[in-house]
Amino acid sequence: EDQVTQSPEALRLQEGESSSLNCSYTVSGLRGLFWYRQDPGKGPEFLFTLYSAGEEKEKERLKATLTKKESFLHITAPKPEDSATYLCAVQAGGTYKYIFGTGTRLKVLA
Amino acid sequence: EAEVAQSPRYKITEKSQAVAFWCDPISGHATLYWYRQILGQGPELLVQFQDESVVDDSQLPKDRFSAERLKGVDSTLKIQPAELGDSAMYLCASSLRGGGAQGDTQYFGPGTRLTVL
Repeated sequence: EDQVTQSPEALRLQEGESSSLNCSYTVSGLRGLFWYRQDPGKGPEFLFTLYSAGEEKEKERLKATLTKKESFLHITAPKPEDSATYLCAVQAGGTYKYIFGTGTRLKVLA
Repeated sequence: EAEVAQSPRYKITEKSQAVAFWCDPISGHATLYWYRQILGQGPELLVQFQDESVVDDSQLPKDRFSAERLKGVDSTLKIQPAELGDSAMYLCASSLRGGGAQGDTQYFGPGTRLTVL
């Protein structure tokens, strides 16, 4: 069964304290892995698409990496405005469906 | 920058009433998705359209939910009658290609927060 698991469920960081969020997946034939940021009461905002193991993408303080079993979202020197829920989704090869994780709620304290 | 539009942003209704949500995808996007998101969970697909055709409605509660995309552009999701358990965020997303195209990125609208009393 296709599955996506994100950890931790919640994370509190001090401003400037770098950390990583994890997205583990089990799918038959990965066609894409997507990271989104979601602020309370709003729709998910697209961050990155990763296609194959070894791929990396960066945007400001965020860097996403991909292996054959998991993806990491690294946050370098976070600021309070980085506080949000970060969602991971995978596009499964067998069904072409998109499966979302439950997200990591990040709080960055000033 | 092109965006997915949704309306209304908020809807409060009583159980057994009918509600409708509207979505206008990014221009040129062939595929449109309706998701339901319960607080603290990830979005769950309700229905997927490729142009005007439904390609996946396996998780749509068809006894009370209906969706249409008549001209292959904007779409309406309806609930009749609404139940207490329908309270959630309803999200619309669109993607350029669909059809299982590799890495076909979905872009989401702002969502409609539904509260059923």
